[in-house]
Amino acid sequence: DAGITQSPRHKVTETGTPVTLRCHQTENHRYMYWYRQDPGHGLRLIHYSYGVKDTDKGEVSDGYSVSRSKTEDFLLTLESATSSQTSVYFCAISLSGGPGNTIYFGEGSWLTVV
Amino acid sequence: KNQVEQSPQSLIILEGKNCTLQCNYTVSPFSNLRWYKQDTGRGPVSLTIMTFSENTKSNGRYTATLDADTKQSSLHITASQLSDSASYICVSEAAGNKLTFGGGTRVLVKP
Repeated sequence: DAGITQSPRHKVTETGTPVTLRCHQTENHRYMYWYRQDPGHGLRLIHYSYGVKDTDKGEVSDGYSVSRSKTEDFLLTLESATSSQTSVYFCAISLSGGPGNTIYFGEGSWLTVV
Repeated sequence: KNQVEQSPQSLIILEGKNCTLQCNYTVSPFSNLRWYKQDTGRGPVSLTIMTFSENTKSNGRYTATLDADTKQSSLHITASQLSDSASYICVSEAAGNKLTFGGGTRVLVKP
């Protein structure tokens, strides 16, 4: 295991409510990522972080925000959840952002917005 | 637009048999090609990473090939086992560390 813990692992929430997913790593890796995985789509990057308080947008960032106040924790927040955000969310980490760096994934968080 | 297409979408093979999964990518400028294995309900796990100068790379019974000229890659599974039942995801990386994920090929190994 890559030392990545996601919480909660499963959540059902109502439309319009805020939701926060947490990713915790014990590897002291600099880079952390949030992806979503949907049927018919490959994994898509939501946001990533390259250090404490350093974050940037991915390709599907609308409706999501992130924060990283400590090296080990990366939070993904849905300010007002919508049904289109029903998905499986994966946190990932990598030691560096260089080409060919190995990216390790967490076990996923299943989110259902009703 | 960077794209990764995988085929077939799914396949069923008998335990002990070999199979080959295909990946076509349109990524520019190309940096490297990765294969991941994803068990049902789990996160993806890295199998191989190949740069544009590498033609083949193995990880146990998994062998990935890369043809950077035709922008094709394949993943060959030798002597399949029941534990090989999973989705296999091809990922291309463009310069600037931009990853594009394919939709995956779902493999079911039957006894």
